[in-house]
Amino acid sequence: DAGVIQSPRHEVTEMGQEVTLRCKPISGHDYLFWYRQTMMRGLELLIYFNNNVPIDDSGMPEDRFSAKMPNASFSTLKIQPSEPRDSAVYFCASRPRQGINTEAFFGQGTRLTVV
Amino acid sequence: EDKVVQSPLSLVVHEGDTVTLNCSYEVTNFRSLLWYKQEKKAPTFLFMLTSSGIEKKSGRLSSILDKKELFSILNITATQTGDSAIYLCAVEGLNQGGKLIFGQGTELSVKP
Repeated sequence: DAGVIQSPRHEVTEMGQEVTLRCKPISGHDYLFWYRQTMMRGLELLIYFNNNVPIDDSGMPEDRFSAKMPNASFSTLKIQPSEPRDSAVYFCASRPRQGINTEAFFGQGTRLTVV
Repeated sequence: EDKVVQSPLSLVVHEGDTVTLNCSYEVTNFRSLLWYKQEKKAPTFLFMLTSSGIEKKSGRLSSILDKKELFSILNITATQTGDSAIYLCAVEGLNQGGKLIFGQGTELSVKP
């Protein structure tokens, strides 16, 4: 398996523009997580899905952020309109199931810069 | 609210030194604690701990959990420059749908 795949790897956009980040989880994993990492706040959980259903979106900072998982192999995180304070590295992670030996696997991240 | 606090936030050592990284947590109905290493990009998994007092070991890295005092430590012996990274601690609670709450991380720099 190629692991969790995120695209794009880097995104530079102007304030006010719409940004869409994409994630393909590892096949067969039940859980998908979106995290945001900044120097100030570390790794924050934004939202996560179980079997394509959003379970907890309490970490989504504002209504400008939305996430979807239309099927088991694809998820998007959208920011509209984007602002400079959204600049961060966004990670997608997937996890097979809850249990003793089920760690989360991370994608390589998307580095977003909003100017 | 579930919380993970790591210390120190940053650490500089020389090759060959031994380091201890700390992770304290508050979580409703603890299930597991995980350690990750993050170099330039994605965090990679190191250990998962679920029981107190049982050491997990992988080469020069080891970790142990104290569920009574709500903390874990990650030890690295005979450090090498390749150990330079951010070390992240995360916890998971029962009935929380598999979500992991991460600490701020400890940035370790190993100088030659």
